Amino acid sequence: NAGVTQTPKFRVLKTGQSMTLLCAQDMNHEYMYWYRQDPGMGLRLIHYSVGEGTTAKGEVPDGYNVSRLKKQNFLLGLESAAPSQTSVYFCASSYSVDTQYFGPGTRLTVL
Amino acid sequence: AQSVTQLGSHVSVSEGALVLLRCNYSSSVPPYLFWYVQYPNQGLQLLLKYTTGATLVKGINGFEAEFKKSETSFHLTKPSAHMSDAAEYFCAVSAGGATNKLIFGTGTLLAVQP
Repeated sequence: NAGVTQTPKFRVLKTGQSMTLLCAQDMNHEYMYWYRQDPGMGLRLIHYSVGEGTTAKGEVPDGYNVSRLKKQNFLLGLESAAPSQTSVYFCASSYSVDTQYFGPGTRLTVL
Repeated sequence: AQSVTQLGSHVSVSEGALVLLRCNYSSSVPPYLFWYVQYPNQGLQLLLKYTTGATLVKGINGFEAEFKKSETSFHLTKPSAHMSDAAEYFCAVSAGGATNKLIFGTGTLLAVQP
């Protein structure tokens, strides 16, 4: 079991560029989440999904889009990156109303 | 709406001393409460959780926490700190339901001095 994996681990973008972060889980979890972590602010929920084909907005969704075409994958897209999106991004998954399992994170810098 | 407050963004203890990290929550429904630990440059790992039942919950690495409804608290303790406990600790609350969304506190960075 690999658990939750994230690709890539690091990325540097220029303002206005686009990119997609991939999250994959092999635990057959229904629920998946994308968070961003910024110093002194803890983790904030960007978007989440409660099942294949479903997505919903979290606390800080602006500037991001997501897709859940397959149960095991949850993609986070930045259409036009901004310096304010410099952060560490974490994906998590859970079976139901229970423990969320986190990936190792993606460190994104937008210049 | 749920919220979490962690008192003290930085806590420093000596090796062998008691560790106490404070967490207070606000929830309009019976909460599920979690403590996660994050080691440098890693993801979050579950330390322990409270859902229902016994209010004193034990986790990994000798940590435990007590759910006190009257005080809306879920403080994390460990009797004797070890150098390897140096990390950032996050308290989180979930209202369960159909989304299982977690609301995180801002974290407490624990330093352990030799």
